[in-house]
Amino acid sequence: GQQLNQSPQSMFIQEGEDVSMNCTSSSIFNTWLWYKQDPGEGPVLLIALYKAGELTSNGRLTAQFGITRKDSFLNISASIPSDVGIYFCAGPPDSWGKLQFGAGTQVVVTP
Amino acid sequence: DVKVTQSSRYLVKRTGEKVFLECVQDMDHENMFWYRQDPGLGLRLIYFSYDVKMKEKGDIPEGYSVSREKKERFSLILESASTNQTSMYLCASTGGAISTDTQYFGPGTRLTVL
Repeated sequence: GQQLNQSPQSMFIQEGEDVSMNCTSSSIFNTWLWYKQDPGEGPVLLIALYKAGELTSNGRLTAQFGITRKDSFLNISASIPSDVGIYFCAGPPDSWGKLQFGAGTQVVVTP
Repeated sequence: DVKVTQSSRYLVKRTGEKVFLECVQDMDHENMFWYRQDPGLGLRLIYFSYDVKMKEKGDIPEGYSVSREKKERFSLILESASTNQTSMYLCASTGGAISTDTQYFGPGTRLTVL
């Protein structure tokens, strides 16, 4: 099955900072998904990527589909307190719609 | 808007008790999933269902069973709860397997087994 390595595991950042996290796969993907989980809630899809090299933004969040098709990056610019949460990457769904998730990156924003 | 609801946000049970976690979705989705979430381990799939009365094991099915008697409802059952099943449990649903379909998650149930 898919093996996803997501890093870093956690990051403590100051408000206003830019942050970056990444995910690598042991296999080639045709889709990368990035989810965010707010404290006490379920994950919500932020960005979906479908083509190698694709760069997609959602507000201050930008995600890139790596050209090797084995990695993806998520950047948060000018972080604010509501960026706190856990960010998960995921690969393409299988024939059952199942997703394999990375272990998550916990983001803590300090004023 | 898609809505996935879970019966409880917080639950405290004793070792050996039978525990039912309920999940309901309102979008007529075929596929439903149960995950558990533990720090540093991400989301691990317990069971999923692709149709009424159909179920498949995920990555960590031991100690759990599921029931899907109606399309909108997917239940996770802990036959005899143990302390190592203390965790956050998340339910999700999706309409199908095409790459543009995302999984929609419920808010989670934080289960503590004493």
